[in-house]
Amino acid sequence: QQQVKQSPQSLIVQKGGISIINCAYENTAFDYFPWYQQFPGKGPALLIAIRPDVSEKKEGRFTISFNKSAKQFSLHIMDSQPGDSATYFCAAYRRGGADGLTFGKGTHLIIQP
Amino acid sequence: NAGVTQTPKFQVLKTGQSMTLQCAQDMNHEYMSWYRQDPGMGLRLIHYSVGAGITDQGEVPNGYNVSRSTTEDFPLRLLSAAPSQTSVYFCASSYHRRDEFNTEAFFGQGTRLTVV
Repeated sequence: QQQVKQSPQSLIVQKGGISIINCAYENTAFDYFPWYQQFPGKGPALLIAIRPDVSEKKEGRFTISFNKSAKQFSLHIMDSQPGDSATYFCAAYRRGGADGLTFGKGTHLIIQP
Repeated sequence: NAGVTQTPKFQVLKTGQSMTLQCAQDMNHEYMSWYRQDPGMGLRLIHYSVGAGITDQGEVPNGYNVSRSTTEDFPLRLLSAAPSQTSVYFCASSYHRRDEFNTEAFFGQGTRLTVV
């Protein structure tokens, strides 16, 4: 049972464009939604996160949009740069849950110069 | 601070061999976990621990054992390696306060394991 569905699996965006990655979750008990960024040969690292009591969170060029009723959230990367090329994972967490983060399958993002 | 340290970085095993992947963290985190990463499959939870002496199974526990004798260390043991266990393994740690949202997981650099 895949509790967090992520799309697309891969994405190619031109430099300066907007990259959009979408995720949907099933478990309404989830109450924390982080995005992790992974560069080749490295472990994932926290990029940005949102709680369900807000609809949007912005940090620099990165924005999370959250739709609680649709059980969906998305990552937008504005003015995408070649250095943003990486694999991005959405995740969900249930506060108080012992089993940690549930990850989506990841999106391989390539920003073309 | 070193963060989360995994050893070894690379390993080749023959089918049936056993080995232990080491993971250590110096952030005094209660929660530690092991994931495996396979192409197109994302990060799948193998085992996790909410504190010393407490471990539990994740999504894909078969063929793996863990123990947590100290807060710092969380080794992952492969009892009898199989080709299906060829993967990249990540250890992660985080705080685990049930009334807070501060659950940033810190990952190690990974162990790339090949079973032939």
